[in-house]
Amino acid sequence: QVQLQESGPGLVKPSETLSLTCTVSGGSISSYYWTWIRQPPGKGLEWIGNIHYSGPTNSIPSLKSRVTMSIDTSKNQFSLRLTSVTAADTAVYYCARGYRSSWYVWLDPWGQGTLVTVSS
Amino acid sequence: EIVLTQSPGTLSLSPGERATLSCRASQSVSINYLAWYQQKPGQAPRLLIYGTSNRATGIPDRFSGSESGTDFTLTISRLEPEDFAVYYCQQYGSSLWTFGQGTKVEMK
Repeated sequence: QVQLQESGPGLVKPSETLSLTCTVSGGSISSYYWTWIRQPPGKGLEWIGNIHYSGPTNSIPSLKSRVTMSIDTSKNQFSLRLTSVTAADTAVYYCARGYRSSWYVWLDPWGQGTLVTVSS
Repeated sequence: EIVLTQSPGTLSLSPGERATLSCRASQSVSINYLAWYQQKPGQAPRLLIYGTSNRATGIPDRFSGSESGTDFTLTISRLEPEDFAVYYCQQYGSSLWTFGQGTKVEMK
């Protein structure tokens, strides 16, 4: 079955750029909305944004100016860049496969998550 | 932006009891576009319900979902020990996907 795995630095300095990659195995990255979600320690889930396999992206308005997402279908990977990070960006970052049609939306499966701490 | 408000924040119940979790939307949400997730400590969330009332693959039938206007409900008919977790509702609308703040179901 499809599995997702996040990778990237666990520690980022304030004002620098957070970069994460999600590798998709067991299935093709073609089709679906490849999604990033984060969860600050002890808090709830926040949808960051997604990238459709064909290229279009969408992100939460509060992060839009700092977020870039890309997809590499040849490597079955998609990536997140978040610029000018602060301590408020400290969170577990999850990648997930998103499905949207006229009938349903869902996020499944999810990666295991990776903790990114913003600190000097 | 549609805001989802989940209640209660915490539900203290015993195994075998019925759990009723609420998710209220700030404006109309298509029943097709409401999902529920379960998250256990240290784990990623897991899809439980999509399209308001459809169970995801492998989800036991003690989990059910329903709606009434802008109110959505997740019901666990008889709590099993493995059901104690945090539950999130999620909706899609206007190109945005948003989550509720979560309801923790804890063992009394």
